[in-house]
Amino acid sequence: GESVGLHLPTLSVQEGDNSIINCAYSNSASDYFIWYKQESGKGPQFIIDIRSNMDKRQGQRVTVLLNKTVKHLSLQIAATQPGDSAVYFCAENWDTNKLIFGTGTLLAVQP
Amino acid sequence: DAGVIQSPRHEVTEMGQEVTLRCKPISGHNSLFWYRQTMMRGLELLIYFNNNVPIDDSGMPEDRFSAKMPNASFSTLKIQPSEPRDSAVYFCASSFKGDTEAFFGQGTRLTVV
Repeated sequence: GESVGLHLPTLSVQEGDNSIINCAYSNSASDYFIWYKQESGKGPQFIIDIRSNMDKRQGQRVTVLLNKTVKHLSLQIAATQPGDSAVYFCAENWDTNKLIFGTGTLLAVQP
Repeated sequence: DAGVIQSPRHEVTEMGQEVTLRCKPISGHNSLFWYRQTMMRGLELLIYFNNNVPIDDSGMPEDRFSAKMPNASFSTLKIQPSEPRDSAVYFCASSFKGDTEAFFGQGTRLTVV
């Protein structure tokens, strides 16, 4: 029979616009939250992390926001470029070392 | 460093056969992870090791799956016997223990027919 796969949420943005990718997490005891980027045919690649006692962290063109009250994490990408097209995963760090990934969001950048 | 190296990149095997996936972590890293990625379930953590010792194998689907890490520079994930539902991309990743940045290999795409 036909298998049903995960329906990845898709965010389509114009080149140069800002992107906001959202994630809900499950474990309120997680120490860290991390964003990974996965390009087609490759393994996930670390982007940025945020410790559970912070609510905002900035990197180069990226900002991660953490709202522990509603267990919500977001990744903001400024001036989105075609090279940003990928699947983005949020991950929770349990027990110092155990990384649990969310389902992912497909970011499609339109030229 | 060449990063995490996995082999083979692609594996096609018949149902019932034994499959062994291999991983060489980044030199100096002391944590190693095996993940499975499918359209149905996304990225699942199967097992992870700290200092060559299995810490959590609760993600291993069933007894047909086993993983070993005989030394700091090599790990294997074995499936015996393999079944079509094991078809997936299997990733190995390594990190320094306590570090949030895990480095992933290119993955092994396994197809069981």
